[in-house]
Amino acid sequence: AQSVTQLDSHVSVSEGTPVLLRCNYSSSYSPSLFWYVQHPNKGLQLLLKYTSAATLVKGINGFEAEFKKSETSFHLTKPSAHMSDAAEYFCVVSDDSGTYKYIFGTGTRLKVLA
Amino acid sequence: DAGITQSPRHKVTETGTPVTLRCHQTENHRYMYWYRQDPGHGLRLIHYSYGVKDTDKGEVSDGYSVSRSKTEDFLLTLESATSSQTSVYFCAISFNPGHQKTEAFFGQGTRLTVV
Repeated sequence: AQSVTQLDSHVSVSEGTPVLLRCNYSSSYSPSLFWYVQHPNKGLQLLLKYTSAATLVKGINGFEAEFKKSETSFHLTKPSAHMSDAAEYFCVVSDDSGTYKYIFGTGTRLKVLA
Repeated sequence: DAGITQSPRHKVTETGTPVTLRCHQTENHRYMYWYRQDPGHGLRLIHYSYGVKDTDKGEVSDGYSVSRSKTEDFLLTLESATSSQTSVYFCAISFNPGHQKTEAFFGQGTRLTVV
């Protein structure tokens, strides 16, 4: 069965410093991996997705994620945090096992300090 | 934005009453999902559908039922609402989740309060 572990429930960074949000996944099949962002009282927006074409994936708003199969990780990074990045971030896994499900991590709330 | 409409957007109901939430899509996607979002739990899958009249349970299906009589509509019913079902409910759709590159698109959510 698929599963996702987001290693930090809260992360605080200062504006202009790097962001690292950690995600580990488990899947017995070839996984599809996604990061979504949710701003307060809003819906979910796709940040980026792993397509298997490249292990380093670029997304919107300067975010990137690197797929590391040997570490079963898909960590989200951004070189320089902006105040508008404050939100909750979800790592999501799907796979080609035929179960058709998207499994969410428990989320990481990012706080950006001025 | 993907054409997904959830209704109602907000609802307050009393314990023991039945409640139905509706998800309507205009994308003709085969797969539809209902999730609930609670602090500290992320989004948890309640039920999903892989076609008209084809549904299956997710990880938190107790107390919920679903129906899908046509491609565009996926209904979530709480037969007898309880306070533990107070939550934000999200509908999602997908073209083909088993195929890589295919993400889920989410509605704006329904905030349900059971008093």
